[in-house]
Amino acid sequence: EAGVTQFPSHSVIEKGQTVTLRCDPISGHDNLYWYRRVMGKEIKFLLHFVKESKQDESGMPNNRFLAERTGGTYSTLKVQPAELEDSGVYFCASSQLSSGSYEQYFGPGTRLTVT
Amino acid sequence: RKEVEQDPGPFNVPEGATVAFNCTYSNSASQSFFWYRQDCRKEPKLLMSVYSSGNEDGRFTAQLNRASQYISLLIRDSKLSDSATYLCVVIPNSGGYQKVTFGIGTKLQVIP
Repeated sequence: EAGVTQFPSHSVIEKGQTVTLRCDPISGHDNLYWYRRVMGKEIKFLLHFVKESKQDESGMPNNRFLAERTGGTYSTLKVQPAELEDSGVYFCASSQLSSGSYEQYFGPGTRLTVT
Repeated sequence: RKEVEQDPGPFNVPEGATVAFNCTYSNSASQSFFWYRQDCRKEPKLLMSVYSSGNEDGRFTAQLNRASQYISLLIRDSKLSDSATYLCVVIPNSGGYQKVTFGIGTKLQVIP
């Protein structure tokens, strides 16, 4: 079974540019999460989709971040315009809706560098 | 005060040693607790869940102390391959909604 995949693995962009990150969850997983780790800090929750609906987006830093999950399959996270402080590793994770297990499966992350 | 606190380490221990990490959480309503392992430049992976009665998986033992609001991870007979960052994870809500709070992680380096 394929795990969570993320694309790209690395992205280097200039301040003010736009970047779109993609996450493909494990097939059949209705829960999809975005997290971010800034160097030296904890992994921080950004938002949570249940299927195509946003369950919680309280962790989104500001309105420069837009997440979508059309059709309830893959998700995108767009940063526009990017700022220096957006640099970090963006992880996506997925889990089954009501499996009785709270294990979240993480993707390898996208390392974003804003210069 | 942070929601989940961990000593970032690093903990440098010789092979074969026993090492223990603690993690404290601030939300007394927290329901679910986990230890994740993260290797350098890799994604976090679930190591073990932490149950109220404590649980053991091979060389790893996890315990929960609700009264003092902390969880612990004990690693016996440390191996070089145990070198990683161990993330404490707390989920405050029960049911299907799983907003996860991570600790900063404790770095373990097992030395030959």
